[in-house]
Amino acid sequence: GESVGLHLPTLSVQEGDNSIINCAYSNSASDYFIWYKQESGKGPQFIIDIRSNMDKRQGQRVTVLLNKTVKHLSLQIAATQPGDSAVYFCAESRHGGATNKLIFGTGTLLAVQP
Amino acid sequence: ETGVTQSPTHLIKTRGQQVTLRCSSQSGHNTVSWYQQALGQGPQFIFQYYREEENGRGNFPPRFSGLQFPNYSSELNVNALELDDSALYLCASSLAGTAGGQETQYFGPGTRLLVL
Repeated sequence: GESVGLHLPTLSVQEGDNSIINCAYSNSASDYFIWYKQESGKGPQFIIDIRSNMDKRQGQRVTVLLNKTVKHLSLQIAATQPGDSAVYFCAESRHGGATNKLIFGTGTLLAVQP
Repeated sequence: ETGVTQSPTHLIKTRGQQVTLRCSSQSGHNTVSWYQQALGQGPQFIFQYYREEENGRGNFPPRFSGLQFPNYSSELNVNALELDDSALYLCASSLAGTAGGQETQYFGPGTRLLVL
């Protein structure tokens, strides 16, 4: 089914450490994946995306890894900062459908301890 | 900032009333998608508008309707409000070459709706 986030997983890290946030996606036909960051009271903010013809993509301080075999996506944040504290969502969509709708995962709360 | 704006920021309505939420897409974007986000959950797709026509709909009843205007701004209308409609309503804009094109969606700040 689609997003079922009744309980929000939490990842607590120390400032300066690396963070890894994991996501299991639902549709093996999905071929476009996005990570969003959502701070309290705000809309989701685009972080990084990856298409299914890649297994790794890097941005500034962030890396996304895609494992299509097990339908798993991860977001790595290097040198985590207090400003990284937020809820992180992965989202998937499928090319060729009539609509580019995004299906969101449960979300993970990242808490950065100073 | 994404350049996507929404109004109003907050709204309180009573059960049975109707509400209209507005979204201005990022300059140059031709596609607007609407999502509902209940507290503690991920956004759920309501529907999408591409070049002024509805282009796909999620699992929401017909009392959720929308419009897209020639300038690509959009409205979400909800009739006969129910308590469970209380949520954050998000719009996202993107630039699609074709209907269903997979371009990045950029979200606005949302409208927080409370139904009493």
